Amino acid sequence: EPEVTQTPSHQVTQMGQEVILRCVPISNHLYFYWYRQILGQKVEFLVSFYNNEISEKSEIFDDQFSVERPDGSNFTLKIRSTKLEDSAMYFCASSEGSGQYNEQFFGPGTRLTVL
Amino acid sequence: KQEVTQIPAALSVPEGENLVLNCSFTDSAIYNLQWFRQDPGKGLTSLLLIQSSQREQTSGRLNASLDKSSGRSTLYIAASQPGDSATYLCAVRNYGQNFVFGPGTRLSVLP
Repeated sequence: EPEVTQTPSHQVTQMGQEVILRCVPISNHLYFYWYRQILGQKVEFLVSFYNNEISEKSEIFDDQFSVERPDGSNFTLKIRSTKLEDSAMYFCASSEGSGQYNEQFFGPGTRLTVL
Repeated sequence: KQEVTQIPAALSVPEGENLVLNCSFTDSAIYNLQWFRQDPGKGLTSLLLIQSSQREQTSGRLNASLDKSSGRSTLYIAASQPGDSATYLCAVRNYGQNFVFGPGTRLSVLP
């Protein structure tokens, strides 16, 4: 069964460093998303992406964050200068469409630890 | 602004019991609602999606219902098994917006 994959599974970085989290969405999906979950807290929406453009972003998704689909398969989240509070689990998701009948399928997540 | 709550926060039941998990939302003009399962330290597994025009969806031992007017959804798990132990998350989408997640219900099914 097709699934969303994410790499790396765990990333440790120093505060102020740039990190890139990678995702391979399900191949026939057109909509892509990033969410994060700080330890012990709710899953929070960051950004949605369609047709090579950001379609929606939350207040969390500030200028430190960017997303890109560099080729036909990968979808990346870049954090330019990491802060301690960026430590969280980051989930990528994809869906075939954006209609009310379209499920979002999530990857296993990347645990980001900022020291 | 949509807010999603889930009750109870945690639940422990003996194997074989039928159980109900509750999800409440404040803005009833929803687009759809999706139930997920999250195992410790893992990603989210989609369980059921209910469109705003639907009242329930079933998959195996799981049944999810939706009552938009009262701002509630329930996830019914029949004949629970130890393998059902996980955190169950409810996520709600409103028109033109993306998912708002509840805090989850942590379920333990004891053998």
